[in-house]
Amino acid sequence: QQQVKQSPQSLIVQKGGISIINCAYENTAFDYFPWYQQFPGKGPALLIAIRPDVSEKKEGRFTISFNKSAKQFSLHIMDSQPGDSATYFCAASRNTGRRALTFGSGTRLQVQP
Amino acid sequence: DAGVIQSPRHEVTEMGQEVTLRCKPISGHNSLFWYRQTMMRGLELLIYFNNNVPIDDSGMPEDRFSAKMPNASFSTLKIQPSEPRDSAVYFCASSFGDRQSGGYTFGSGTRLTVV
Repeated sequence: QQQVKQSPQSLIVQKGGISIINCAYENTAFDYFPWYQQFPGKGPALLIAIRPDVSEKKEGRFTISFNKSAKQFSLHIMDSQPGDSATYFCAASRNTGRRALTFGSGTRLQVQP
Repeated sequence: DAGVIQSPRHEVTEMGQEVTLRCKPISGHNSLFWYRQTMMRGLELLIYFNNNVPIDDSGMPEDRFSAKMPNASFSTLKIQPSEPRDSAVYFCASSFGDRQSGGYTFGSGTRLTVV
């Protein structure tokens, strides 16, 4: 019930292209869905987050799309740049009981110049 | 603020030895989290504290692992005795409230190698 499934495991995109990473969850008690970005040798850092009362949130080139009925959410990176090359984690948390973030397995994104 | 500070950055120890990882959260943050990252299992929550009190330690693998938070500015994660399967990167993170409205701030991690 705490699991968040993330795909793909790795992704190669050309500079200027769109990167899409998908996540799915089972626990309907989840009500907060952030994405974290991690560079080698560093800890994850919050990128963007969404709550289920909206279907989309955009911040610059990064967009979260959320489908509550399908229990899925995705990260879209528009105009991908080599500097976006990193590992991306989706996560989810609930507002009762175990409230800490549960992370997906991560997607290693490589943006080729 | 210098962010979440973890020490040491790297630790190599022999099987059976005691290992202590340290974390200084961001001043003013009242929630602290310990995560373990491996290729096989990704980022796993080990334990988290709210206002220095352990709230959920269900992720602690076994009795060899223990964590303390004696005050708002310091936490330790101890492994005794250590085993090769404990090799991983251990992250500490802090936030204001466990509902993470401002996001978690992670430290740079401690890479532990048990040989």
